[in-house]
This record gives sequence, C-alpha cells and structure tokens, in this order.
Amino acid sequence: AQKVTQAQTEISVVEKEDVTLDCVYETRDTTYYLFWYKQPPSGELVFLIRRNSFDEQNEISGRYSWNFQKSTSSFNFTITASQVVDSAVYFCALRERVGNQFYFGTGTSLTVIP
Amino acid sequence: AAGVIQSPRHLIKEKRETATLKCYPIPRHDTVYWYQQGPGQDPQFLISFYEKMQSDKGSIPDRFSAQQFSDYHSELNMSSLELGDSALYFCASSKGLAGARDTQYFGPGTRLTVL
Repeated sequence: AQKVTQAQTEISVVEKEDVTLDCVYETRDTTYYLFWYKQPPSGELVFLIRRNSFDEQNEISGRYSWNFQKSTSSFNFTITASQVVDSAVYFCALRERVGNQFYFGTGTSLTVIP
Repeated sequence: AAGVIQSPRHLIKEKRETATLKCYPIPRHDTVYWYQQGPGQDPQFLISFYEKMQSDKGSIPDRFSAQQFSDYHSELNMSSLELGDSALYFCASSKGLAGARDTQYFGPGTRLTVL
C-alpha cells in the first residue's frame, strides 16, 4: 500500500498564481518525518523541507509555505506567486522512526505558464 | 557547500553487461542510500549502508550488489543488465546522528540506459 499519496498528478497554473500541492501520508509510528523534494527537468532531487511529527508548527520560507496537520495526516505545500522556475515535479516523502528508507509519493508535476 | 557526488552522470550499456555506479557522500556523512527512479516513477529505495555495514534493504534485485568503503563512498554493482534496469539511479547521504540523520541529501543521479 502506498504510504504517501499525492493525488494531483499534474497541475498547471499561470505565473503569479498561488498553488497548493497535496500530500497525505499513512503510518502507525508516533514519531516520523516528512519531507518535500523538488525535481526540476534537469533531474536532481532538491531538498526543500523536513518536518518532525511532534512539531506541527507551519513554516514559511519566502514564497514557500507548508501546512502540517496530524489530524488529517496531511502535509501540504503552497507556492505563492508562482514563477516559471517553479516548474518541476514535487515529491512528498515519509521516513518512519524505524528503518532508513524514504517512502516517496508518486509526485506532482507542476507547470507554471508564463 | 559540498554535495553528494555521483559518477558517471550518464551510462549506456548493452543487455547482459555489467555496470558500476559510484557515490561520494557529503563530507562527514556516514550513511548512504541508493534509489532507482524509472521513467515517470517515484524513487524506489534499493539499499542503504551505515558505517560501512548494510543497514536496510529494499527492492534491490539479486543481480545488484553494493558496498560502502572505508572512506564512506559507495558503489552499486549491476550485473546481467536488462532493458528494465534503464532508470535514474540516485545516491543520497545523511549524517548518523539522531534527528539530523533523517534528512537525506540526494546526488544528481546517474542515468543508466540499457540497449
């Protein structure tokens, strides 16, 4: 079963619009870690944010913000005033307390149209 | 800041050949992970090493093997290559301390094409 679900396969927005990428996860662990990575067309995976399960404080970094809600097992990512350079595939990932592997969602392909 | 280095960046092999992918972690990182990302797919965990010992194993085929050396670099050896092995192979590294260990920093990937 998929531990991380990104229901939005592809999203297209016009430049300067806001966009929210959804991420829903599933785990029985009480301690876990959530991540967002960006994969631009060049292919590398760029780390964006890490959030611990015991820290539900939302975070803002420039045009990026993250909304972590344990009650709904969601960790959504919002880009404000999107730019063409934001076009990429965005992956949400989960790491449980036990084990070393990341469980990735299937990714959301974001296209920002100029 | 230094990042994870992977070599080669691109590799083309014929079916049934062997390939070796190399990964150099971020300095002072002691944990290395390997992932395979097929076209249009999410990265799938293959295997990880902590302090030169295998620490976790995912969906790595028996035809593949890996190890971590004394300088913490890692090599993924792939034998009897199949067309389905064509993918982007990522290496990631992390530091073996509680908390900080949980963030994996990824290399640029090696794109393997099997013809």
